[in-house]
Amino acid sequence: GAVVSQHPSWVICKSGTSVKIECRSLDFQATTMFWYRQFPKKSLMLMATSNEGSKATYEQGVEKDKFLINHASLTLSTLTVTSAHPEDSSFYICSAILAYEQYFGPGTRLTVT
Amino acid sequence: EDQVTQSPEALRLQEGESSSLNCSYTVSGLRGLFWYRQDPGKGPEFLFTLYSAGEEKEKERLKATLTKKESFLHITAPKPEDSATYLCAVRYNAGNNRKLIWGLGTSLAVNP
Repeated sequence: GAVVSQHPSWVICKSGTSVKIECRSLDFQATTMFWYRQFPKKSLMLMATSNEGSKATYEQGVEKDKFLINHASLTLSTLTVTSAHPEDSSFYICSAILAYEQYFGPGTRLTVT
Repeated sequence: EDQVTQSPEALRLQEGESSSLNCSYTVSGLRGLFWYRQDPGKGPEFLFTLYSAGEEKEKERLKATLTKKESFLHITAPKPEDSATYLCAVRYNAGNNRKLIWGLGTSLAVNP
């Protein structure tokens, strides 16, 4: 149990375009999901907390208009990187909580050219 | 300042050579300490949660322990497939909220 999936696993896009990343809890319902960003050899950086049916809570310094989060159901949260730029290239990971423990998706590698 | 520090930053072991990874924390109101394993290009895989000093948990060759200031992840007779980055995270009370902060991880390489 406690499986979290992400799609796509990797994506390459051109600068100025938008990219959507999906995060699904496959065998449980998650009212709260989290989106992280990870740079090479760095720790996880929390970007935002996604709450089902309400607005996401963004961490300080994260642009909410650039990183759009939608948590439309108890098993799906999406992160849309709008008007992507090369500096947005990173590894994006989502997670969901089950019984007070956090389970992570496999991550999405975004490369903006 | 609330923080989580993992040491060593990197560790190289021979197969069968037991060792320990350390996660020290300086937070008040601990609500849980978590250990994860992360393989390159993958999301973290949950290993253990520890809630109170003196608590221990085991899984195969791994054993996690917790004191009031730190946690150890003991690896007994490691195998090459144990090679990964091991991450520690701490959840604690911060005013009316609960926060989760991450260490930078220990990169473990086990040579056959």
